[in-house]
Amino acid sequence: KAGVTQTPRYLIKTRGQQVTLSCSPISGHRSVSWYQQTPGQGLQFLFEYFSETQRNKGNFPGRFSGRQFSNSRSEMNVSTLELGDSALYLCASSATVTGLNTEAFFGQGTRLTVV
Amino acid sequence: SQQGEEDPQALSIQEGENATMNCSYKTSINNLQWYRQNSGRGLVHLILIRSNEREKHSGRLRVTLDTSKKSSSLLITASRAADTASYFCATDAKKLVFGQGTRLTINP
Repeated sequence: KAGVTQTPRYLIKTRGQQVTLSCSPISGHRSVSWYQQTPGQGLQFLFEYFSETQRNKGNFPGRFSGRQFSNSRSEMNVSTLELGDSALYLCASSATVTGLNTEAFFGQGTRLTVV
Repeated sequence: SQQGEEDPQALSIQEGENATMNCSYKTSINNLQWYRQNSGRGLVHLILIRSNEREKHSGRLRVTLDTSKKSSSLLITASRAADTASYFCATDAKKLVFGQGTRLTINP
């Protein structure tokens, strides 16, 4: 079955702009989590959605937001981009919510560069 | 902040040798997972070990977990060039919390 699909793969934006990233989970998976990966901070948890509800949120400013649709596809939005938002954004899907001994399947990521 | 810390940060060995990576964490966990990441790409799940398990095998991988020491180790036996990647441990409470990773290089 198809894996986790993230679009776009690469993105270049200017400071102050906003961006929307998309994630299509594995068919049948209802949980989608988002992570930011940078060389300095490593992999940081952004948020998790399950059945269209945000279950958990990481320690990121309100400029970072997300949502999940009824078909489990998820989007994350970053407004008023800053240079420090340049990162690899990873989406992970799992069959159940995190914390229930379930493995997460990751997409290839979206490489965001803010100039 | 990171929950898990991998050790060493970088490891370079010859093909065919065994590679051992360690992970320490701070709080109680439901399980601990190991992932592999090839340069700049997504993470691939390797193995999940529950908090009540002490050892788990998957092919050339062996993972141990010592909850009293809050530590885990990943052993890759008979390494191959294709094992060159970064390896991360992640603790699973209500979210996956990753360490900084170990960069493993297998030299032919």
